Amino acid sequence: GAVVSQHPSRVICKSGTSVKIECRSLDFQATTMFWYRQFPKQSLMLMATSNEGSKATYEQGVEKDKFLINHASLTLSTLTVTSAHPEDSSFYICSARDLGRGPANSPLHFGNGTRLTVT
Amino acid sequence: GIQVEQSPPDLILQEGANSTLRCNFSDSVNNLQWFHQNPWGQLINLFYIPSGTKQNGRLSATTVATERYSLLYISSSQTTDSGVYFCAVSGSARQLTFGSGTQLTVLP
Repeated sequence: GAVVSQHPSRVICKSGTSVKIECRSLDFQATTMFWYRQFPKQSLMLMATSNEGSKATYEQGVEKDKFLINHASLTLSTLTVTSAHPEDSSFYICSARDLGRGPANSPLHFGNGTRLTVT
Repeated sequence: GIQVEQSPPDLILQEGANSTLRCNFSDSVNNLQWFHQNPWGQLINLFYIPSGTKQNGRLSATTVATERYSLLYISSSQTTDSGVYFCAVSGSARQLTFGSGTQLTVLP
């Protein structure tokens, strides 16, 4: 149980285009999902917290107009990288916690990530 | 926010050897997870262990919450154990904060 599906796993796009990444909780509901970014040889850094039915909250230094987050249902959050540039090339990974297991005292489950390359 | 330090940053082992990875954190936590990130980037959840000891096959983990550290033990290491091991914690916040990771290389 507790599977998070992320799609696509890999995307290559041209500079200036937009890319949408989907994150779905397959067998549980999640009011909150988290989006992380990982540059090569570095750790995972939280970008934003996606809240179902309300605006996302962004970490300091993350441009909310560039990284659009939509959390329209209890099982789906999307991250859209708008007007992508080569410096946005990175590994993006989402995570969610099973709502039914309590707000904080349960593990976060992660998707398999999306490797974005902007040419 | 909470700080997470992992050691060692790099570890090279011969197949069959045992190892201990350490995670120190700066504040009380209600969630601590150990992950293995494989070469394709997938994060494999190894343990959810905010306190106590757990074992799963050749892997085991111990968290001493009062002293703010956790240890991951790998016994009889195999080449497939290679990759990056992350410790991640959360305190009052709901999201996880990751350590910088330990790059493990197991040689045949």
